[in-house]
Amino acid sequence: AQSVSQHNHHVILSEAASLELGCNYSYGGTVNLFWYVQYPGQHLQLLLKYFSGDPLVKGIKGFEAEFIKSKFSFNLRKPSVQWSDTAEYFCAVNAPYGNNRLAFGKGNQVVVIP
Amino acid sequence: NAGVTQTPKFRVLKTGQSMTLLCAQDMNHEYMYWYRQDPGMGLRLIHYSVGEGTTAKGEVPDGYNVSRLKKQNFLLGLESAAPSQTSVYFCASRPQGQGAPLHFGNGTRLTVT
Repeated sequence: AQSVSQHNHHVILSEAASLELGCNYSYGGTVNLFWYVQYPGQHLQLLLKYFSGDPLVKGIKGFEAEFIKSKFSFNLRKPSVQWSDTAEYFCAVNAPYGNNRLAFGKGNQVVVIP
Repeated sequence: NAGVTQTPKFRVLKTGQSMTLLCAQDMNHEYMYWYRQDPGMGLRLIHYSVGEGTTAKGEVPDGYNVSRLKKQNFLLGLESAAPSQTSVYFCASRPQGQGAPLHFGNGTRLTVT
């Protein structure tokens, strides 16, 4: 089964700083990749996704992620964060031709200081 | 447009009690999932279903049972609750198809004393 690793579980940044969150997965076949965000007290919402085509995908709120197949990675980036980006971020991997289970990483808790 | 609805929102159980969490979606999605979220553990898949009448085990299925008798509903049961099942439970659904994202419910906060 596929698994997902996220590093730097707690990240503290100042506003306008750049953010990069790493995501590595283990699965040898075709994958669909997702980043979800969970704002305090809310449920998860989709930030962006990749399933084919251009490996650089752009999502909502200025986020983007790059799929590097050779590194089994799907890192999330935002050039300039805002206080409202304080949230927990989860990377997820689905094997559409495998078991169709969506596996999540343990999350990155991001705090942006005004 | 309700999306994914979970009931109840909160519940406190005593050890050994049973309960059922209900998830309902009105988007005609094929796939439905139950996750639990615990601090530092992310979301862990309990059980999932790829269609009406079918269920499968996820990462942490022990102590839980599920049923998908109707396409729109996915029930999660705890037959004999344990303190280790204190968690926030999220239901999610998605349609078939490559890259289809999950739609999440608002969660159920369960405390087992």
